Amino acid sequence: DQQVKQNSPSLSVQEGRISILNCDYTNSMFDYFLWYKKYPAEGPTFLISISSIKDKNEDGRFTVFLNKSAKHLSLHIVPSQPGDSAVYFCAASPNYGGSQGNLIFGKGTKLSVKP
Amino acid sequence: DVKVTQSSRYLVKRTGEKVFLECVQDMDHENMFWYRQDPGLGLRLIYFSYDVKMKEKGDIPEGYSVSREKKERFSLILESASTNQTSMYLCASSGGQAVHEQYFGPGTRLTVT
Repeated sequence: DQQVKQNSPSLSVQEGRISILNCDYTNSMFDYFLWYKKYPAEGPTFLISISSIKDKNEDGRFTVFLNKSAKHLSLHIVPSQPGDSAVYFCAASPNYGGSQGNLIFGKGTKLSVKP
Repeated sequence: DVKVTQSSRYLVKRTGEKVFLECVQDMDHENMFWYRQDPGLGLRLIYFSYDVKMKEKGDIPEGYSVSREKKERFSLILESASTNQTSMYLCASSGGQAVHEQYFGPGTRLTVT
């Protein structure tokens, strides 16, 4: 059973507009959430993260929102740029013995930003 | 800058061959991970290691083994490659204060024919 779900396989946005990528999780033991960006033929790169004690974290054009009661997080990119076109993975880290930084990834959302 | 390197970007092997994928990190990270990425399936954890000579199975360990003889190096071994192991293999490391932030290598695209 998928513990981290990204229900939209793809998203297309016009340059300059907002991109909103969504992620749902099922395990209340997750205490840290991350977003990764991946270009074709490259490894994922860390983008932004949020601890479960916060509801928002911002870094430049990227903001992550966490709604613990709904077990939902989202990544907002404003304004979107063509260089943001990539696959975005949501990941969660469980807080229980032996986890030590393990991440559980969603299946990814492919974002296309059109000029 | 954290650097994770993988021995090959592209590899083509025949069914039944033994395959070694090497990963080296230069940040003195305790934790190292091997994933495979397949279209529509995301990243799936094969094996991970929290220390030298230590290994733990991930979600899909069947058909794979690992070796961690030195802290900076984590090897993935396909004992007898099969066509269903054709995939993108990604190595990652993490450690220190930011234990959740995994740093990935560029990946190895393995094709088994």
